[in-house]
Amino acid sequence: SVLTQPPSASGTPGQKVTISCSGSDSNIGTKTVTWYQQLPGTAPKLLIYENNQRASGVSDRFSGSKSGTSASLAISGLQSEDEGDYSCATWDDSLAGWVFGGGTRLTV
Amino acid sequence: EPQLLESGGGVVPPGGSLRLSCAASGFSLSAYAVTWVRQSLGKGLEWVSVISATGGSKHYPEDLRGRFRIFRDNSKNTVDLQMNNLRSDDAAIYYCAKLTQDYWYIDSGLAFDVWGQGTMVTVSS
Repeated sequence: SVLTQPPSASGTPGQKVTISCSGSDSNIGTKTVTWYQQLPGTAPKLLIYENNQRASGVSDRFSGSKSGTSASLAISGLQSEDEGDYSCATWDDSLAGWVFGGGTRLTV
Repeated sequence: EPQLLESGGGVVPPGGSLRLSCAASGFSLSAYAVTWVRQSLGKGLEWVSVISATGGSKHYPEDLRGRFRIFRDNSKNTVDLQMNNLRSDDAAIYYCAKLTQDYWYIDSGLAFDVWGQGTMVTVSS
């Protein structure tokens, strides 16, 4: 994947976990980042857009940030229902299209 | 509640063709750009195509251009994906999703805010 994410992350209920997404100047460095949540057996769901804006109905336990060519998704107050896959995405100028991270599987 | 529903998936032999459809309910899809994204088994998400609200602009990844074509019929509130000369590595769940605006403005409006449940495509003889 053009965007690099750790394959897995874990935490205990109530903890805070951070998932990273690393890119380059042709994508994250110059474009906004989106985060999607995919619970087991379901379609992706928009979580964070434009780096740090929560989508409608998304808990304030989820927050996004971006610095340089990297972005992060933080999940505080972990709950068992947060278990699933989290993917970052953005536009890549060199490829002229959307690129995704490989996804991070979160275990609570 | 706005919803998208894909259909048309199935089993197709290598070299075959398949046409997927994405139908909207609860809102008018005609105001929004629509994209297709696929996910191979156990793999990450991969962008497949996008079409503007009017249908006048379409865009594909370089490696799919020529084999995949995206269409829309705003009178029917649908967006279709025609896939030709299918290969084994095209096997995946195909999702349609809407953008938040009528076009993919790369300074904003890149997010896909409503997704369908997906339709599975299997390429096998």
